[in-house]
Amino acid sequence: GENVEQHPSTLSVQEGDSAVIKCTYSDSASNYFPWYKQELGKGPQLIIDIRSNVGEKKDQRIAVTLNKTAKHFSLHITETQPEDSAVYFCAASYDSNYQLIWGAGTKLIIKP
Amino acid sequence: GAGVSQTPSNKVTEKGKYVELRCDPISGHTALYWYRQSLGQGPEFLIYFQGTGAADDSGLPNDRFFAVRPEGSVSTLKIQRTERGDSAVYLCASSHGSTGELFFGEGSRLTVL
Repeated sequence: GENVEQHPSTLSVQEGDSAVIKCTYSDSASNYFPWYKQELGKGPQLIIDIRSNVGEKKDQRIAVTLNKTAKHFSLHITETQPEDSAVYFCAASYDSNYQLIWGAGTKLIIKP
Repeated sequence: GAGVSQTPSNKVTEKGKYVELRCDPISGHTALYWYRQSLGQGPEFLIYFQGTGAADDSGLPNDRFFAVRPEGSVSTLKIQRTERGDSAVYLCASSHGSTGELFFGEGSRLTVL
């Protein structure tokens, strides 16, 4: 079955700098790759997703890149702000939400 | 409310007791999911409902866990003979069908003493 590995487990960056979180997956059939942000005491919230027919997707300060050959995808956050501090999860699946396999999460700390 | 609502937000129980966790999804969402999240981990899939029926319950760890969604809206996760290892945050999510965006509730934190 699918296995998703995520790193780093903790990332600390200066406010205004960029942050990059990387995930690898094992099942080449996976074609849906969402990223979720989870704040303390809240449920995860979808921030961006990508499907395997595109290599990159951007939404303001957030971008996701996908390399299907290498089976890895990354989240890029530019011009980081204090409100970006949270735990970020990547996930992978074939076509549906309920079969999502999740990474272990990255705690992003934005230093003022 | 507009979001997914879960009750209780916190539940402390003793080993061996029975607990029920409730999820009220976003109105009109046909798909409902239960996940379990342990500290420092990503959510772990438990069960998926499409309408009233459990389309996939392969994530339920054993027969002490059961979930229902009798009218295709509110769902209840039921845990019998709780064990300390059941302690976790139980997350509920809903979506338009199985491919729409997942919307999560804030979770029910279960502590088994």
